[in-house]
Amino acid sequence: DTGVSQDPRHKITKRGQNVTFRCDPISEHNRLYWYRQTLGQGPEFLTYFQNEAQLEKSRLLSDRFSAERPKGSFSTLEIQRTEQGDSAMYLCASSPPPTYEQYFGPGTRLTVT
Amino acid sequence: AQSVTQPDIHITVSEGASLELRCNYSYGATPYLFWYVQSPGQGLQLLLKYFSGDTLVQGIKGFEAEFKRSQSSFNLRKPSVHWSDAAEYFCAVAEEDSNYQLIWGAGTKLIIKP
Repeated sequence: DTGVSQDPRHKITKRGQNVTFRCDPISEHNRLYWYRQTLGQGPEFLTYFQNEAQLEKSRLLSDRFSAERPKGSFSTLEIQRTEQGDSAMYLCASSPPPTYEQYFGPGTRLTVT
Repeated sequence: AQSVTQPDIHITVSEGASLELRCNYSYGATPYLFWYVQSPGQGLQLLLKYFSGDTLVQGIKGFEAEFKRSQSSFNLRKPSVHWSDAAEYFCAVAEEDSNYQLIWGAGTKLIIKP
């Protein structure tokens, strides 16, 4: 069991550029979550998938954000036209049925300049 | 509304001393309860969880937590802290009715004095 992995670990981009992050969950975990976390705050829920279906998306999430999990395995999170306010740590977690405790990856640190 | 409260933003403890981090929740039924730890710049690591049964649960790194239904609390304890325990600790709660979505406390930063 290799745990949840995320790639890249760090990303620096210029305002207005698009970025894409990848998350590989623990195998056989059917749920996958994306969170955003800024310094000194707890994780903020963005969206989650059960298998390939996106079941919930935060109302706070701008339409510049989109996530996919095409085959129910890895997932990607894309941010279009990045803004400085998007600078944060983006965390991915996966969870197994039936209790759905979440296991987190190391995160992707995004800096928008 | 569902909520999780960690009343202490920071706690400072001497190395070797005991630790208790507080967590209170507001839910109708018995929720699933979790404690996570986050070192600077890292992801969150699950310390322990409570689903049902024995209300005193043991976790990794020598941590334990006790679920007290009457107080709606799930406090985290460690008998003797080590400098490596310095981190941010988050309490989280989930319910089956809410599709097991985690509701997070604001976190408590643990500072260890040498």
